[in-house]
Amino acid sequence: DAKTTQPDSMESTEGETVHLPCSHATISGNEYIYWYRQVPLQGPEYVTHGLQQNTTNSMAFLAIASDRKSSTLILPHVSLRDAAVYHCILRVQGGSAKLIFGEGTKLTVSS
Amino acid sequence: NSKVIQTPRYLVKGQGQKAKMRCIPEKGHPVVFWYQQNKNNEFKFLINFQNQEVLQQIDMTEKRFSAECPSNSPCSLEIQSSEAGDSALYLCASSRDWGNYAEQFFGPGTRLTVL
Repeated sequence: DAKTTQPDSMESTEGETVHLPCSHATISGNEYIYWYRQVPLQGPEYVTHGLQQNTTNSMAFLAIASDRKSSTLILPHVSLRDAAVYHCILRVQGGSAKLIFGEGTKLTVSS
Repeated sequence: NSKVIQTPRYLVKGQGQKAKMRCIPEKGHPVVFWYQQNKNNEFKFLINFQNQEVLQQIDMTEKRFSAECPSNSPCSLEIQSSEAGDSALYLCASSRDWGNYAEQFFGPGTRLTVL
């Protein structure tokens, strides 16, 4: 599975829209982009995933660059509950289903 | 919200002791994964099952760890002889199918401390 690169940390304030970047310059055509987040004392929680098209759900909007070498997880109107470590992960279509986590971005939300 | 149940939440063992932890996957999820998250928050995949069958496992798991997912019983992960380096958060995740489209739902983990 290809490698992802994320900033170590980002800070935000309640109510802001947060953009979490992820670089995956060596992504293969059959790799999906997954986002999970983890808060202390809990296991990771699925946020969203996509292949080529932008996707949206109740938690976030995933913007995928046209060349797929980067993506951005957009969290609208963050609250204190959105403070977590956000992991950007690539998974091969038809390959192993295991997740390979990087260190992720620690998002801090202040009131 | 995930309904994966892991017990115990905390486990303390001495070196050389056995350490066993359990996982009840979400109802209807035949695929179960075990991951290890160390104190640096680095994840390592350990083993996965589909129903009772092992699909993949890493070397470490083959040698010192044993795991099973019997039908109608919780899945379990057991370290035969604990080492200090095994201190970590052990996460169980379940999925409705094997394909990579399927989300993995994680439990809260079992935090193992080996003294």
